[in-house]
Amino acid sequence: SQQGEEDPQALSIQEGENATMNCSYKTSINNLQWYRQNSGRGLVHLILIRSNEREKHSGRLRVTLDTSKKSSSLLITASRAADTASYFCARTRASGTYKYIFGTGTRLKVLA
Amino acid sequence: GAGVSQSPRYKVAKRGQDVALRCDPISGHVSLFWYQQALGQGPEFLTYFQNEAQLDKSGLPSDRFFAERPEGSVSTLKIQRTQQEDSAVYLCASSHNRGKGRNEQFFGPGTRLTVL
Repeated sequence: SQQGEEDPQALSIQEGENATMNCSYKTSINNLQWYRQNSGRGLVHLILIRSNEREKHSGRLRVTLDTSKKSSSLLITASRAADTASYFCARTRASGTYKYIFGTGTRLKVLA
Repeated sequence: GAGVSQSPRYKVAKRGQDVALRCDPISGHVSLFWYQQALGQGPEFLTYFQNEAQLDKSGLPSDRFFAERPEGSVSTLKIQRTQQEDSAVYLCASSHNRGKGRNEQFFGPGTRLTVL
């Protein structure tokens, strides 16, 4: 079973709009990472944020982490059709530092 | 350089058949992970190797699942007497560090297993 959830489960937006997806978890974390998965393909790493960080940016991506609320969000600005994919957060627990625990993912569809 | 590769990409097995899935990690990566991803779900951890040592197999769903990495590089996930519930995508990932969770895991494209 998986700990935590992403929401929304599915999101459909127009090209150029921003997309925000959230990830919640239950146990203390060591770090949290966001991955993208295109249909039928492997997971591509987007951003890693450590438990002592609050915000990170990478191009059009912005990730925030609120450890008091045990939640993280991924913002994609000025979305493109190529951003259509499933997005997963994966975290390593503070007590066990190697295996990733994935959420259920957000399926993003960007309409041209 | 080459990423993580997996073979076969697709496998169809009849129920009861044994299957073997291969993972070639990134050269020099110490840590290797197997995950199982059911349709519409996120990946779930199966097992973890540090070099040739299998340090954690707590995620293997039954004793029909067996993984090995005899020389600390290529790994094989074997499933004996496959069942329909084994149908999933099996993902392999490798990491440079010794599994401390500070570095990213690089994922292969996965093997989609369908058990009829």
